[in-house]
Amino acid sequence: GAVVSQHPSRVICKSGTSVKIECRSLDFQATTMFWYRQFPKQSLMLMATSNEGSKATYEQGVEKDKFLINHASLTLSTLTVTSAHPEDSSFYICSARGEGVGSRYGYTFGSGTRLTVV
Amino acid sequence: AQTVTQSQPEMSVQEAETVTLSCTYDTSESDYYLFWYKQPPSRQMILVIRQEAYKQQNATENRFSVNFQKAAKSFSLKISDSQLGDAAMYFCAYRSFGATNKLIFGTGTLLAVQP
Repeated sequence: GAVVSQHPSRVICKSGTSVKIECRSLDFQATTMFWYRQFPKQSLMLMATSNEGSKATYEQGVEKDKFLINHASLTLSTLTVTSAHPEDSSFYICSARGEGVGSRYGYTFGSGTRLTVV
Repeated sequence: AQTVTQSQPEMSVQEAETVTLSCTYDTSESDYYLFWYKQPPSRQMILVIRQEAYKQQNATENRFSVNFQKAAKSFSLKISDSQLGDAAMYFCAYRSFGATNKLIFGTGTLLAVQP
């Protein structure tokens, strides 16, 4: 089945530094990638949608300059949290849609990244 | 804009019993998809079941089945013969019919399974 590998699973960084999260589709071409943020015991909130080779579309209220998304290839998308602050601490999850794989109707999710900014 | 509502923040079921999780949604579209996702403590999102709105027949996947009422905009999940491994957060989700449209999630229901 379709697999999305997300790394790192956990990261602790100092306030003011940047953190990059990677999502790779292992056995399919991810034409679209969705990035979510999830606070404890809450639902997934969509941050942005990216299509391979295009600029990401951000949801209202999401800072484009803080959350940089790159989707330069069909197998890799990255989310960079720039100048991270404690309020950016959260669980980040990617979700990919691809062609020709069982995720035709549903999307395949990465395993998530727990970001802690100290 | 579409919305998804899950009115049960928490549910509990005895092992081997049946439980039903509720979900309602609001949309003006006629074609769309509905999903139930499971998020266990590992936080990995797992697709449980999906339903195409144009299909009248309720989807079934082993012990999981849905009651899809299009007119009422209701999409409940029934888990039969509950197992300890079913304990998780369950999210109902909506997606418009377009190929790359985003998933809209409900607030989730935390299901506990009692031995």
